[in-house]
Amino acid sequence: AQTVTQSQPEMSVQEAETVTLSCTYDTSESDYYLFWYKQPPSRQMILVIRQEAYKQQNATENRFSVNFQKAAKSFSLKISDSQLGDAAMYFCAYRRKTNFGNEKLTFGTGTRLTIIP
Amino acid sequence: DTAVSQTPKYLVTQMGNDKSIKCEQNLGHDTMYWYKQDSKKFLKIMFSYNNKELIINETVPNRFSPKSPDKAHLNLHINSLELGDSAVYFCASSPGLAGIRETQYFGPGTRLLVL
Repeated sequence: AQTVTQSQPEMSVQEAETVTLSCTYDTSESDYYLFWYKQPPSRQMILVIRQEAYKQQNATENRFSVNFQKAAKSFSLKISDSQLGDAAMYFCAYRRKTNFGNEKLTFGTGTRLTIIP
Repeated sequence: DTAVSQTPKYLVTQMGNDKSIKCEQNLGHDTMYWYKQDSKKFLKIMFSYNNKELIINETVPNRFSPKSPDKAHLNLHINSLELGDSAVYFCASSPGLAGIRETQYFGPGTRLLVL
């Protein structure tokens, strides 16, 4: 079974600084997808960024980028120029790739990110 | 133009009652899901439906019964509610086709409190 581990329950960063959230996963699959979701106090789950395992290039979305190390099964999220609105729980998630496209997401336990003004 | 909506947002009820949570998506997606987020914020899949057919049924008590009247709706009915059912329940949907379009989009969540 696939597992996702986020070893940092809490992180904090000064506004405008850069922070990296860690995620490791365990799978025997060779092709899969990885995601970072953000959950602010409003509880809404918001997709931040996604990565396809067969792509070597790291995904980027504006201030958000990932460091995907397939051999190490590591998928960290870097947030540059942190803003107060980035304060939230961040969840790393894994999804197996199939031909049917209805696979579940397996989530990590989350990292609570605090932004210090 | 909410993509995935859930009702109600909050639900407070007594132990032993039966309650339902409704979910609707207007994205034209084929697949819908229910996830449970416990008090420690851990998110776990409960069910998924693809075109009204049950695809995933994780180890969930049979007091929980999902119902999909059409592919845009996936409701969750819970019988004989227990204290341990208190959680936030998220509905999600995805296109249902293989590939990166398989991103799941979440509803706002329903916070259930069983007293």
